[in-house]
Amino acid sequence: QVPPVQSGAEVEKPGSSVKVSCKASGGTFSSHAINWVRQAPGQGLEWIGRIIPRLNTVSYAQNFQGRVTISADKSTSTAFMELSFLRSEDTAIYYCAGLRGVYIGVVIDYYYMDVWGNGTTVTVSS
Amino acid sequence: EIVLTQSPGTLSLSPGERATLSCRASQSVSSTYVAWYQQKPGQAPRLLIHGSSSRATGIPDRFSGTGSGTDFTLTISRLEPEDFAVYYCQHYGSSPPMFTFGPGTKVDVK
Repeated sequence: QVPPVQSGAEVEKPGSSVKVSCKASGGTFSSHAINWVRQAPGQGLEWIGRIIPRLNTVSYAQNFQGRVTISADKSTSTAFMELSFLRSEDTAIYYCAGLRGVYIGVVIDYYYMDVWGNGTTVTVSS
Repeated sequence: EIVLTQSPGTLSLSPGERATLSCRASQSVSSTYVAWYQQKPGQAPRLLIHGSSSRATGIPDRFSGTGSGTDFTLTISRLEPEDFAVYYCQHYGSSPPMFTFGPGTKVDVK
């Protein structure tokens, strides 16, 4: 599998917004969902949200509800994660990851991340 | 909400030794929805195990996963130098969709 390619590092001021992109291969985009996960310096992994591009269905972690927007452009196989009202605690590496579709009975679900992007460092500082 | 606890926090072992990593869920979960990832410094995580026991593509057979209910285990039968890393377990809940990670176990060189 070809890993997704993410946009470059960003430095933002508190209160502003950042939009990170994740360009996947066409095959990945059609067969996978896309998760967004972040990792603060020296910390563990935190789920932000998931989009299923073929259905345009989005789910968000409760901690980010109202502050994050995840979207996808199927024509370019690119997913986006926009985080608003940034604060210093949002300083982290933001990863996109592909979730392989698996049949559970007759329904497809997406629950493990088998291909990861290279990560985008977002620094929030005044 | 499911909370995952991993133990130990750090495991200090020598190459060639066996590593046993634990992941405990705060309530019983389906083994289908438990995965393990490896992360090395400066790298993105890498999928090792999904469905509690299925190795991902290209993962050596020295890695194995077991478990059910609330207790899940990742075993590395004989540590290779490249296996020293941080390991995370992950659970997926479907209604509503939610991904939870454990805090990680660091396997370092004794």
